Amino acid sequence: AQTIHQWPVAEIKAVGSPLSLGCTIKGKSSPNLYWYWQATGGTLQQLFYSITVGQVESVVQLNLSASRPKDDQFILSTEKLLLSHSGFYLCAWSTYSGNTLYFGEGSRLIVV
Amino acid sequence: AQSVTQPDARVTVSEGASLQLRCKYSYSGTPYLFWYVQYPRQGLQLLLKYYSGDPVVQGVNGFEAEFSKSNSSFHLRKASVHWSDSAVYFCVLSSSSGSWQLIFGSGTQLTVMP
Repeated sequence: AQTIHQWPVAEIKAVGSPLSLGCTIKGKSSPNLYWYWQATGGTLQQLFYSITVGQVESVVQLNLSASRPKDDQFILSTEKLLLSHSGFYLCAWSTYSGNTLYFGEGSRLIVV
Repeated sequence: AQSVTQPDARVTVSEGASLQLRCKYSYSGTPYLFWYVQYPRQGLQLLLKYYSGDPVVQGVNGFEAEFSKSNSSFHLRKASVHWSDSAVYFCVLSSSSGSWQLIFGSGTQLTVMP
């Protein structure tokens, strides 16, 4: 069975500080990977997707970047956090041709 | 342009009552439609999906949804809700070209009163 793990579960960070959120998928080779952002009480906004190692497509510009250093790993980062980065970050995977997303448990970020 | 509208931000029902959560979509091609549920402080879980065929699709935990092309709708239903169904429900649209960019509705917060 496939599992998806996100880390950290939650973080409180200062404005201007760097951020790194991680996501690992086990039990599935060559998945499509996605990062979503959810403001408190809001809907989900797709940030990035990746269909293969080393290739990441940006969907919206939020002063964030993403990388896929390994087949099973997806990293979301920024060098300088903004207050507007606060929210819930969700990683998800799908098969190459599939439309169904399988989500991780999310990482909650509070920027102060 | 593609869009998903969930007109009810909050729905409150009593335990044991029937439920319908509404979803309207806008898409000129063949839509792939999903309902996801998000429990407090958790990720999203797939309830059901519609690709083609029978317009009524069955999901987990007694949920079902009915696709209507003429009404551009994909409403979620349950015959008898339980307090544990309290959560946020998202209707999601994917184009037939792939899952690169899914469109999420704004979500409906369901509260089931004991």
